[in-house]
Amino acid sequence: GAVVSQHPSRVICKSGTSVKIECRSLDFQATTMFWYRQFPKQSLMLMATSNEGSKATYEQGVEKDKFLINHASLTLSTLTVTSAHPEDSSFYICSAATDRVHQPQHFGDGTRLSIL
Amino acid sequence: GQQVMQIPQYQHVQEGEDFTTYCNSSTTLSNIQWYKQRPGGHPVFLIQLVKSGEVKKQKRLTFQFGEAKKNSSLHITATQTTDVGTYFCAGSRNAGNNRKLIWGLGTSLAVNP
Repeated sequence: GAVVSQHPSRVICKSGTSVKIECRSLDFQATTMFWYRQFPKQSLMLMATSNEGSKATYEQGVEKDKFLINHASLTLSTLTVTSAHPEDSSFYICSAATDRVHQPQHFGDGTRLSIL
Repeated sequence: GQQVMQIPQYQHVQEGEDFTTYCNSSTTLSNIQWYKQRPGGHPVFLIQLVKSGEVKKQKRLTFQFGEAKKNSSLHITATQTTDVGTYFCAGSRNAGNNRKLIWGLGTSLAVNP
């Protein structure tokens, strides 16, 4: 159980393109989804927390207009990197959690984004 | 702000040797979780500790949560090459709905066969 599907797994595109990444919880209802960014050999950096049906809460320093997050249902959240530039190249990972107390986060496989 | 310090950053061992990674939080935690990330992969949940002084075991892995709920450790006995990866601790201050985790920087484990 607790499977989270994230796709695409890899994206290579030109500068200026907008890229949408989907995160789906396949066998449970994810009241909360988290979006992380991870640079090589570094820890996970939380970008934003999204709760179903409400606006995402962004971490300090993360541009809301640059990284658009939508959490329209209990099983799907999307992250759109708008007008991507080479500095946006990174590994983006989503995780999902239920509303039960003391439950872990379940991670998607991640999306490796490369902007040329 | 809230921080979780994790040491060491890297550890290189011979197969069969033991390995320990430590996490220390600047604030009291509601719970602490441990994840393992293999090279090129995503973090995979290992265990969660909630109670003060809690000790949990998973085969060769032993997890501890300090009495003050500010520190934790992961100990691997007799490492194997399959243990290779980065081990992250992640603490939560809240047990409620916004389970935002504060992540340690991770300990990268390399095992020589």
